[in-house]
Amino acid sequence: EADIYQTPRYLVIGTGKKITLECSQTMGHDKMYWYQQDPGMELHLIHYSYGVNSTEKGDLSSESTVSRIRTEHFPLTLESARPSHTSQYLCASSGPSWTNTEAFFGQGTRLTVV
Amino acid sequence: RKEVEQDPGPFNVPEGATVAFNCTYSNSASQSFFWYRQDCRKEPKLLMSVYSSGNEDGRFTAQLNRASQYISLLIRDSKLSDSATYLCVVNLDNYGQNFVFGPGTRLSVLP
Repeated sequence: EADIYQTPRYLVIGTGKKITLECSQTMGHDKMYWYQQDPGMELHLIHYSYGVNSTEKGDLSSESTVSRIRTEHFPLTLESARPSHTSQYLCASSGPSWTNTEAFFGQGTRLTVV
Repeated sequence: RKEVEQDPGPFNVPEGATVAFNCTYSNSASQSFFWYRQDCRKEPKLLMSVYSSGNEDGRFTAQLNRASQYISLLIRDSKLSDSATYLCVVNLDNYGQNFVFGPGTRLSVLP
């Protein structure tokens, strides 16, 4: 089992609220990622990080922001949640590229904005 | 054109059938390749890495053809528990994030 954890697993929140989705991994991985996935649809990369103090936007534009102050922690924040943000958010991490390692996923946070 | 393309699904097959999934990728610099499995409303999990020489894990066989930029997954003697979405994943694997997930092919194994 992968040592990557997301909290909360499920979140229902009102429009306009600020939310932070937590993601932590204990594998010492430098690279971490956030994906967004609607039911039955593709995964879309929204943010990634090469390491501490590194954050980049992914392929899918997102109003969320991320930070990487510690290697093991990669939280995602929505300043003002909207119904269009309703989706599943999946965090992942991977090890050094020379090890040909795969990406390990957390169990996801299912967000509903009402 | 998408970076990673897969067979459109769904595939509905009877138990015991052999099923093959195909995947093509557009970036010839891609370094590593994987098949992931995603169950409904769950996170993707690694099924197997794909090596240049091809590799097998029980009922599952993966093949890679770098010249054609093509990856395949063969499932023999399919089980009900194989029902899931299968994701082809390509990684440019240098210094960045470069895992690119295909759209997935859904498999339903029927009794």
